Amino acid sequence: GQQLNQSPQSMFIQEGEDVSMNCTSSSIFNTWLWYKQEPGEGPVLLIALYKAGELTSNGRLTAQFGITRKDSFLNISASIPSDVGIYFCAGRTSGTYKYIFGTGTRLKVLA
Amino acid sequence: EAGVTQFPSHSVIEKGQTVTLRCDPISGHDNLYWYRRVMGKEIKFLLHFVKESKQDESGMPNNRFLAERTGGTYSTLKVQPAELEDSGVYFCASSLRTDQGYTFGSGTRLTVV
Repeated sequence: GQQLNQSPQSMFIQEGEDVSMNCTSSSIFNTWLWYKQEPGEGPVLLIALYKAGELTSNGRLTAQFGITRKDSFLNISASIPSDVGIYFCAGRTSGTYKYIFGTGTRLKVLA
Repeated sequence: EAGVTQFPSHSVIEKGQTVTLRCDPISGHDNLYWYRRVMGKEIKFLLHFVKESKQDESGMPNNRFLAERTGGTYSTLKVQPAELEDSGVYFCASSLRTDQGYTFGSGTRLTVV
């Protein structure tokens, strides 16, 4: 079946540092989503991308829809302790309503 | 607006027992999805309802899983009989349109012992 390779699996960074994570697929997607999950909660939608090359920001978060349509990137600038959590990418191909999720990137921020 | 609500938040059952999970989507959201995350792995699609109809149930693992959405409002996911490998977090999500991202509930953590 379709798979999303998300990396890195985990990151330990200092407060104030920038963070980058990405997802790649062998399939072409027409939608990319980025979610954040905190302990005991469900994933919360951060950014949605609908066009190849699209670059979208949400505060300190910026995500890009890769021009090949097979990858996406999420950057967090000037990280703060509340950025801790698991970040998931999710992609959807044309002709389907379901999303495929990556395995998540666990982010820990050291104050 | 109220978010997606799932009940219970945790459930511990013995192998062979039956468990029913409930999801109340955001009011007015015709699209309801069930997903599952098994320990440390990706969040996997189970099925998709549009109102009371099953649009896609290609992710349902086997016939021990039964999902219903009578009346097109809340949904239930029953596991009968439960097996050890069914342990994980079951998420429900809903959306107004199918081309939108989902709003997830907090999940039900199921542990089968």
